[in-house]
Amino acid sequence: DSGVTQTPKHLITATGQRVTLRCSPRSGDLSVYWYQQSLDQGLQFLIHYYNGEERAKGNILERFSAQQFPDLHSELNLSSLELGDSALYFCASSVTGLVVTGELFFGEGSRLTVL
Amino acid sequence: AQSVTQLDSQVPVFEEAPVELRCNYSSSVSVYLFWYVQYPNQGLQLLLKYLSGSTLVKGINGFEAEFNKSQTSFHLRKPSVHISDTAEYFCAVTSLSPSNTGKLIFGQGTTLQVKP
Repeated sequence: DSGVTQTPKHLITATGQRVTLRCSPRSGDLSVYWYQQSLDQGLQFLIHYYNGEERAKGNILERFSAQQFPDLHSELNLSSLELGDSALYFCASSVTGLVVTGELFFGEGSRLTVL
Repeated sequence: AQSVTQLDSQVPVFEEAPVELRCNYSSSVSVYLFWYVQYPNQGLQLLLKYLSGSTLVKGINGFEAEFNKSQTSFHLRKPSVHISDTAEYFCAVTSLSPSNTGKLIFGQGTTLQVKP
């Protein structure tokens, strides 16, 4: 158990819909990272938040947005869903804002299926 | 920008045999390298990391990796594998450049299949 909690674990929805994925980082960790894992794209970095502020953006679509709240939990919002958005979405946390100074602790992921 | 190439998508090996999972990276700046493991239906877990110092890095579960700057490689090795090592292995890279702060770039992954 990494200490990172993601909900829901599984989600099935239809095209055009909107979903919210939630992540609670390990106690004391200030950074939250979101990654998307799919068969064709592999593990893609989406976005990084540190202590409530956006730190870095990766290949995140405009239809996707995220935020980190004062209690440090984070939400990833996916809207106007398309079939290609079906993937496993991982949240990871770390103590600092610099990944090189510590490891990332990953949650078990939220599997999104868009029908 | 950095990139990572894992040269083998699948590596089948018999139990107690040695294994090497290959990883090459590309970067114009100094890099920091990681190997993560993903067991079925679980998140990723850090195996080992290279930040600086000795180029031979030892990790958990008997794994080790060697950083080779001239070859731009960071291959993962284990002298004797167990059935429980069956998993997906990811090589990852990052750097201290401001644009990369907090971002790990992952390879496509290598599936290690340990057969009895």
